[in-house]
Amino acid sequence: GAVVSQHPSWVICKSGTSVKIECRSLDFQATTMFWYRQFPKQSLMLMATSNEGSKATYEQGVEKDKFLINHASLTLSTLTVTSAHPEDSSFYICSAPRASGGETQYFGPGTRLLVL
Amino acid sequence: GDSVTQMEGPVTLSEEAFLTINCTYTATGYPSLFWYVQYPGEGLQLLLKATKADDKGSNKGFEATYRKETTSFHLEKGSVQVSDSAVYFCALSELGGGSNYKLTFGKGTLLTVNP
Repeated sequence: GAVVSQHPSWVICKSGTSVKIECRSLDFQATTMFWYRQFPKQSLMLMATSNEGSKATYEQGVEKDKFLINHASLTLSTLTVTSAHPEDSSFYICSAPRASGGETQYFGPGTRLLVL
Repeated sequence: GDSVTQMEGPVTLSEEAFLTINCTYTATGYPSLFWYVQYPGEGLQLLLKATKADDKGSNKGFEATYRKETTSFHLEKGSVQVSDSAVYFCALSELGGGSNYKLTFGKGTLLTVNP
């Protein structure tokens, strides 16, 4: 099956700093990637859709200046949490459909962010 | 908007027991339905899916049938194994803005199978 990786798997940072999370499709090209956030005992909440070569599309209530998304190539999307605060601590997960417009998505293993 | 409600866990079973995890949904259109599984320390993996009413998805002994009349997609397995211990997510997929499908997830159900 398709493989999606994330880096780092775990990050701890001080309040006010910025953190970058990478999402890579390892054996396929992804024109679209999705970023989710998961709180403890909660479902995955879609944050934004990352589009290669164009601006990301953010879900309602997600601050685009807070969560910067860059989809610089067909295999890499990055999520930067800017000026992180403790309430940004969460589990961030990316996914990508193997084929453009495909319905089945392949998920990365997630990144645990802890902001002190 | 679309939503998915699934049975809250945790669920603890003995090996070879029968498993049911309930899932119901609300959607404006005709979604596809999925079960994803997350094993400890790993990312979500597609377990099975069904794309239209009365379809049955199956994989690794798990089954789920798309019931439009009851808006349900319950997950079942006749005899669970210790290796089935994981978090199970029910989800639906519909076309969002543009040409991309968007997934809406339930909260997940933690299953623990004891030997």
